[in-house]
Amino acid sequence: GAGVSQSPSNKVTEKGKDVELRCDPISGHTALYWYRQSLGQGLEFLIYFQGNSAPDKSGLPSDRFSAERTGGSVSTLTIQRTQQEDSAVYLCASRTRTSGGVDTQYFGPGTRLTVL
Amino acid sequence: AQSVTQPDIHITVSEGASLELRCNYSYGATPYLFWYVQSPGQGLQLLLKYFSGDTLVQGIKGFEAEFKRSQSSFNLRKPSVHWSDAAEYFCAVGDSGAGSYQLTFGKGTKLSVIP
Repeated sequence: GAGVSQSPSNKVTEKGKDVELRCDPISGHTALYWYRQSLGQGLEFLIYFQGNSAPDKSGLPSDRFSAERTGGSVSTLTIQRTQQEDSAVYLCASRTRTSGGVDTQYFGPGTRLTVL
Repeated sequence: AQSVTQPDIHITVSEGASLELRCNYSYGATPYLFWYVQSPGQGLQLLLKYFSGDTLVQGIKGFEAEFKRSQSSFNLRKPSVHWSDAAEYFCAVGDSGAGSYQLTFGKGTKLSVIP
């Protein structure tokens, strides 16, 4: 079946502009995650959604970052007033909720963001 | 807080040689452990996972990993490396404490394969 998809695959923007990154999870997966992968910091957790709610936003680096999820499906990560340090690959992952278990997170191909 | 250490940043092996990638974790409870592989420009693909039970787990592409609680390790092994195994490998621990099961990753080990 279809995996996690993300768009755009690449985004180049100017410092100070806002960007939106999109994630389409695997159908039926209730949990959705955003991670950031950068050279200096490696892979970092940003935010977790269960359905349309975000009970864990602890990884968002500043209030310039926000995310939403609608219909228990598509999620959008928005970065306002982008800075050069926001340049990274943004990865989305989804998983099925299992009772008492830790199921596998399936990752999308990522969006490479470059802030000039 | 949980953490994962992958001591080797870059490893080079000859094709056909055996491989072991090291991973040490720090986690207060029973860990949920994963190995992912990332080829250039690609997302992360799951190789194998450990939740409970048998401490030797088998994964895809001929990889296996052994969970050793006493050493807080979850090393990845392959008996004979193929050129297509060249990629970056990430060990991760899943955090069940907060209910989010977010993953904490190591910094990764880049594998180069000499033909």
